[in-house]
Formats: sequence, C-alpha cells, structure tokens
Amino acid sequence: DAGVTQSPTHLIKTRGQHVTLRCSPISGHKSVSWYQQVLGQGPQFIFQYYEKEERGRGNFPDRFSARQFPNYSSELNVNALLLGDSALYLCASSGAEARNVLTFGAGSRLTVL
Amino acid sequence: SQQGEEDPQALSIQEGENATMNCSYKTSINNLQWYRQNSGRGLVHLILIRSNEREKHSGRLRVTLDTSKKSSSLLITASRAADTASYFCATDPGGATNKLIFGTGTLLAVQP
Repeated sequence: DAGVTQSPTHLIKTRGQHVTLRCSPISGHKSVSWYQQVLGQGPQFIFQYYEKEERGRGNFPDRFSARQFPNYSSELNVNALLLGDSALYLCASSGAEARNVLTFGAGSRLTVL
Repeated sequence: SQQGEEDPQALSIQEGENATMNCSYKTSINNLQWYRQNSGRGLVHLILIRSNEREKHSGRLRVTLDTSKKSSSLLITASRAADTASYFCATDPGGATNKLIFGTGTLLAVQP
C-alpha cells in the first residue's frame, strides 16, 4: 500500500507568488490535515478536511486555503507568498479505525526568496 | 504559542543507554501521542496514551502521562544509532477536529 504522497517535494518561489501543494492520502482514509513546520519548531496545524468539508482551521491568514476532492486527495494553496512562509508543509491522513492517529507524508519544502 | 514544551531540546547518548524526553502541555487532552522525525522529513507515529492511562509500553518505548501536572515522558531503552531523530509529543484536545498540538521537539543523537 502506498503511504501518503505529497508533491512537489521541493520548490522555490519569490515573494508575492502563489503556490499549490498536493497530497494523496492512504487508500481508504477520508481525513486529510495540513501542517506547517518552520525550521527548528514542531508542526503547526493549518487545516483539516473530512469528506470534502473543512473540519478545522488553525491560526493562519486567509492567504492560506485548501480543498479536498471526491477521491479524498487535497490541495493547499498559499497566495501572496511572504518570506516567513518558507517551511516544510506536511500532509497527514487518518482513517476511521484510528481517527486520532496521523500518517504523514514526506512533506513539501517551500523556500520563498 | 499553542505548542507545548519539551526538554531537553537536545540529547546525546551512547548506544545501549536509555534516553528520556519530557513534554509539558497547557490544555486538557483526550490523548497524547509521540512522533519521530528523521532529518526534516515526515513524522512517524510511535505511541498513543489516553488521558485515563498512566503508563504504556510498546517494544523499547515506555510512555508515562501525568494529567495533574500536564506532563508526559518518553523513555527509549537500549538505544541504537538508528534511533537518532527528533521526537515530538502531540496533544489531542478532542472534539470534532483531528487537530494535534505539537511540542517543540527533542533532538536525540545516539553515538555508535
């Protein structure tokens, strides 16, 4: 079984640009969450989606948005990039059998110049 | 900040020794989990302890939870070089959202 897959793995953008990050959950998992991890810190919760509906949102500005598709894959969009958006963006999925346990992807490392 | 605190921030030990990491958190919880992260990659779930449990074991891992002190500890026994990684505690406050609140992490280095 494939784990949680994320793309791209690395990307470089400049300030003011837009970025889209993609995530495919483990087969059968209907919940997808996004986390931001700045270097040297623990991950911070951005969004959770379940059955294509937003279930939770962290303390992030409206420049951050996400959606979940009918196949349960998800996209995270960030507009008007700032230098401070440079981070590792982690996607995680969970299933009904262990709702509270997250399986993480390897992450997308975003560098904003 | 929403994050809890972990200590030590960094820990260096020899293979075969035990490693203990501590985590303190701020809010009431449904459960507390420990995750491991190698070299800035994805996190891997290690163990979950529920709020009504005091101790849990899984292989070489032992987790304790003291909800009155809002603290937890992770003990790794007989450490190996392959245990070198960052370790994070994460609290689940419960509710409809799957949100986990992660600590600041402990960087463990196991010297061969």
